[in-house]
Amino acid sequence: QSALTQPRSVSGSPGQSVTISCTGTSSDVGGYNYVSWYQQHPGKAPKVMIYDVSKRPSGVPDRFSGSKSGNTASLTISGLQAEDEADYYCCSFAGSLWVFGGGTELTVL
Amino acid sequence: QVQLQESGPGLVKPSETLSLTCTVSGGSISSYYWSWIRQPAGKGLEWIGRMSTSGSTYYNPSLKSRVTMSIDMSKNQFSLKLSSVIAADTAIYYCARGAVASANWFDPWGQGTLVTVSS
Repeated sequence: QSALTQPRSVSGSPGQSVTISCTGTSSDVGGYNYVSWYQQHPGKAPKVMIYDVSKRPSGVPDRFSGSKSGNTASLTISGLQAEDEADYYCCSFAGSLWVFGGGTELTVL
Repeated sequence: QVQLQESGPGLVKPSETLSLTCTVSGGSISSYYWSWIRQPAGKGLEWIGRMSTSGSTYYNPSLKSRVTMSIDMSKNQFSLKLSSVIAADTAIYYCARGAVASANWFDPWGQGTLVTVSS
């Protein structure tokens, strides 16, 4: 099972929106509505930001949203803030295992 | 709120067995699923395996032959053993709650523990 494909890096200015893509196959992203997204600041553990493709855990700002089309899931962050600068990882259920993406570094300019 | 804390040796020799324990506090380990996830320095996350308190396990096929997970309900702990380690097993190892169909995400996570494989 290969890792999901994410862009290495994305950037945006404060107040702008950015979208991070996560491409898999019909065996993972395309086959299940079980995509989650994690935010990881340097030296910290990952934190779930989106689960089940588009649901937000309590406490996560509604600036974070998720979607999916076919084998590609997306995380959109609107109204970028300085504290959003971090690494972001997607994760998908793949039948009997979970697969992560390679991670995307978000830079807030 | 539930908190997780990993513990174990930070240095393991090649060909030996890596052993880590995750202690769950602030809640019961019962009726949940528990996972191990690792992250080599500067790289992405890799799911290692998940087990339930009933003992059922899923392991990453790429590591399955070397991984064993177990749970000690009396101590509110679960453990990871990875045998025949090599340098490529050097990573930060995280324990996390999840995932299961009704809650298909990992949360919360422990702070992580660095394990270095070196002679």
